[in-house]
Amino acid sequence: SQQGEEDPQALSIQEGENATMNCSYKTSINNLQWYRQNSGRGLVHLILIRSNEREKHSGRLRVTLDTSKKSSSLLITASRAADTASYFCATAALNSGYALNFGKGTSLLVTP
Amino acid sequence: NAGVTQTPKFQVLKTGQSMTLQCAQDMNHNSMYWYRQDPGMGLRLIYYSASEGTTDKGEVPNGYNVSRLNKREFSLRLESAAPSQTSVYFCASSRTGGFAGELFFGEGSRLTVL
Repeated sequence: SQQGEEDPQALSIQEGENATMNCSYKTSINNLQWYRQNSGRGLVHLILIRSNEREKHSGRLRVTLDTSKKSSSLLITASRAADTASYFCATAALNSGYALNFGKGTSLLVTP
Repeated sequence: NAGVTQTPKFQVLKTGQSMTLQCAQDMNHNSMYWYRQDPGMGLRLIYYSASEGTTDKGEVPNGYNVSRLNKREFSLRLESAAPSQTSVYFCASSRTGGFAGELFFGEGSRLTVL
């Protein structure tokens, strides 16, 4: 079964605003990853955070991980129209070997 | 760099027909994966291969078979296609030999079964 669940399912903001997406999961993990998917394209890896890390940054992206609450958040600062895409969290559960399980995604729309 | 290449990009089948989706990566990655993506369902893992010579079932393996032909290539076969297999199929690869690391995805193969 799918491990992660993103919230909200859809988010609409204006350029310049920050976008926050959340992910909750069910079992203990080795790492959690975030991916972006533009319409009609494959997924692109954004950031990986390990279970012993609490926060990670990459450019305008900030990811936090709270293993006690089994949740993660992705913050995109100063959003641009080009950030319009679907965002997925994916978890590498401790008992699933090499498999990476994806959530259903958050659809982000950034309007000029 | 080609990365992960999937063929074909589009395919229409009739119920009961068979076909093979091909995937090749040029990054010398150890692990390869097949996912399907359906509206409202996100991505679901069909099969994966942690290393050359090994394959394992994922969440939704029924109706599919896979072959890890060599380190570069991982194919997905539908022996008798059903309308429920209408989906977008993604192949991915990963360098790591341990827990799942960063995945590199192909552009997808859009399959319609009539």
